[in-house]
Amino acid sequence: GENVEQHPSTLSVQEGDSAVIKCTYSDSASNYFPWYKQELGKRPQLIIDIRSNVGEKKDQRIAVTLNKTAKHFSLHITETQPEDSAVYFCAPQGYSTLTFGKGTMLLVSP
Amino acid sequence: NAGVMQNPRHLVRRRGQEARLRCSPMKGHSHVYWYRQLPEEGLKFMVYLQKENIIDESGMPKERFSAEFPKEGPSILRIQQVVRGDSAAYFCASSPGTTRDEQYFGPGTRLTVT
Repeated sequence: GENVEQHPSTLSVQEGDSAVIKCTYSDSASNYFPWYKQELGKRPQLIIDIRSNVGEKKDQRIAVTLNKTAKHFSLHITETQPEDSAVYFCAPQGYSTLTFGKGTMLLVSP
Repeated sequence: NAGVMQNPRHLVRRRGQEARLRCSPMKGHSHVYWYRQLPEEGLKFMVYLQKENIIDESGMPKERFSAEFPKEGPSILRIQQVVRGDSAAYFCASSPGTTRDEQYFGPGTRLTVT
């Protein structure tokens, strides 16, 4: 099965700083790479995703970069805001299922 | 356009009772996935179903757990003879197709076993 690791497990930044979370995976057949944001007690919400034929994708303050050769992809958040505080999960997809990382708790201090 | 619906949102069961969790996928979605999340952990895949078919149940415990997605009605995750270790949040997700499609999550059912 897929082995997924996320780093760091916790990340504290000041408002306005950038945050980067990295995800490594083992299954070379994975072709879809989403990031989910989960606030306390809420459902995971898809915030950005990338497919294997693309190296980078950006949506306002959020971007995802993919290095398929090295089997890792990263979430970049610029100009962080307190409402970005949440747990972020990478979840590379193999045949049909998402394999979630253990999550990164991001805390943005005002 | 309703999203993925789950009920109940909270469920309390005593040890040994049965728990039934329901999931209605988004309109137009025919694929349902169930995940379990223990406190402060990531989501763990349990089972993937299409209408009347279990496609992948590799993450489902071999005993006490079963899932179905009938031709009519919601998908149901059934846990028999619950134990304290079954206490968790159970999320379902749906997607319109198979591989490479976004999965959209329901609000979850928080099961507490006393």
